[in-house]
Amino acid sequence: EPEVTQTPSHQVTQMGQEVILRCVPISNHLYFYWYRQILGQKVEFLVSFYNNEISEKSEIFDDQFSVERPDGSNFTLKIRSTKLEDSAMYFCASSENLGPATETQYFGPGTRLLVL
Amino acid sequence: GENVEQHPSTLSVQEGDSAVIKCTYSDSASNYFPWYKQELGKRPQLIIDIRSNVGEKKDQRIAVTLNKTAKHFSLHITETQPEDSAVYFCAASIRGNNRLAFGKGNQVVVIP
Repeated sequence: EPEVTQTPSHQVTQMGQEVILRCVPISNHLYFYWYRQILGQKVEFLVSFYNNEISEKSEIFDDQFSVERPDGSNFTLKIRSTKLEDSAMYFCASSENLGPATETQYFGPGTRLLVL
Repeated sequence: GENVEQHPSTLSVQEGDSAVIKCTYSDSASNYFPWYKQELGKRPQLIIDIRSNVGEKKDQRIAVTLNKTAKHFSLHITETQPEDSAVYFCAASIRGNNRLAFGKGNQVVVIP
C-alpha cells in the first residue's frame, strides 16, 4: 500500500538556521499538507497546497515558512530562520482530491525538529 | 475558527471491555470527522471516518457515531485488545475546506 514518506526522521539545528523538511506524497494525490505537533500538544494545521500554490494557511504559517513542490514527487517545508519554539514534530499529509466532502488525508511518519 | 475538544484525556480499560472517546466541535459547518490512531513513534493512522450525512459507521470492532445537533462524535472500540493501546486523535474539517482541526488526543491503555 502506498504511503507518504518524510525525510529526515530527525533534524537538530541551531537557532537562526534554515531547515528544509522533505515529503513525498502518495503519487496520485493532488492535495498536500503540513501539520505540526509540539510535544504533548495537539496536531496543528500549517498549510495546504494544491495545483502548485498555497490554498490555505494558518496563523502559525508566517513569513518564516514556505512550501514548494520542486519536482513531480517532492513537497518541502522550509523554515528560514528557526526559533526555539519551532521545535516540534512536523507531519506531511496528502489526499487524493477535493470532492463534495473532504477526502481522507494520509499522514507521513513525521520529522522531529529540535532547535537548540 | 474551529475548536475540537476530546474527553477523557486518558482512558484505561480492561482487555475485552469497551472504550468510548468523545469529541465535541464548535463549527456547525464541519462535515467530515476522521479518527486517527497513533502508536508511540509512529505516524497517525486513519482508523475510521464519518461524514455529516450519516449518523453511525462501523468497521469490525470500531464504530463512530455523530450527533450533529449536539456537535459531538464518539469513537467506540469493543472487545479491546492490548494492541488497541495508543493515542487516538479526533479531527473535524470545514465544508469546502481540507483543513483538519485536531483534538488533543486520548491516551487509551488496555490492561491485559
